[in-house]
Amino acid sequence: QKEVEQNSGPLSVPEGAIASLNCTYSDRGSQSFFWYRQYSGKSPELIMFIYSNGDKEDGRFTAQLNKASQYVSLLIRDSQPSDSATYLCAGGYDSWGKLQFGAGTQVVVTP
Amino acid sequence: GAVVSQHPSWVICKSGTSVKIECRSLDFQATTMFWYRQFPKQSLMLMATSNEGSKATYEQGVEKDKFLINHASLTLSTLTVTSAHPEDSSFYICSARGASQIPNQYFGPGTRLLVL
Repeated sequence: QKEVEQNSGPLSVPEGAIASLNCTYSDRGSQSFFWYRQYSGKSPELIMFIYSNGDKEDGRFTAQLNKASQYVSLLIRDSQPSDSATYLCAGGYDSWGKLQFGAGTQVVVTP
Repeated sequence: GAVVSQHPSWVICKSGTSVKIECRSLDFQATTMFWYRQFPKQSLMLMATSNEGSKATYEQGVEKDKFLINHASLTLSTLTVTSAHPEDSSFYICSARGASQIPNQYFGPGTRLLVL
């Protein structure tokens, strides 16, 4: 059973602070990992993906992957109210590109 | 780039009718498309995976005779909910993947189905 686990939150973050989201996965065969942001009532949008151990930065977002420990994280620096959303972690696990999604972490950025 | 559209965005229908939802990749060729369903406050549930010109692969527990998927071209996939009932009311979202080795999925805006 392929599982991706996330804390459901809500994670309350003061504006300007760093939001730290974590995700663990069970399938060691997963090669690539994705972070999606989903606003209430909307469909997910891709923030970034990572497939190598270490950090990957894109603007205010940094994804971290540790395959030995089977966890992925996402840091959001200088959090803004517009970052308030549910963040979905997903792992890719087959040749068709199927993704296993976590349940999502709700982030609330407070002014 | 990587834009996926869905039509319609909203549909309200009577119980027993069939509803067709279209998913199009607008600026890339989608080798694979995926259909998800999402109930309120829950995560995405993958319903099926479709490849152009092939039969869709359905996830366990998804009735293939009820949720008909056609992937007629590299830019179009359709989901038909046959004989819809109130319990089929949900947010249906498609996603598409291009030819990249990295399995990025780009999501359409979703279709809200309300069955009365």
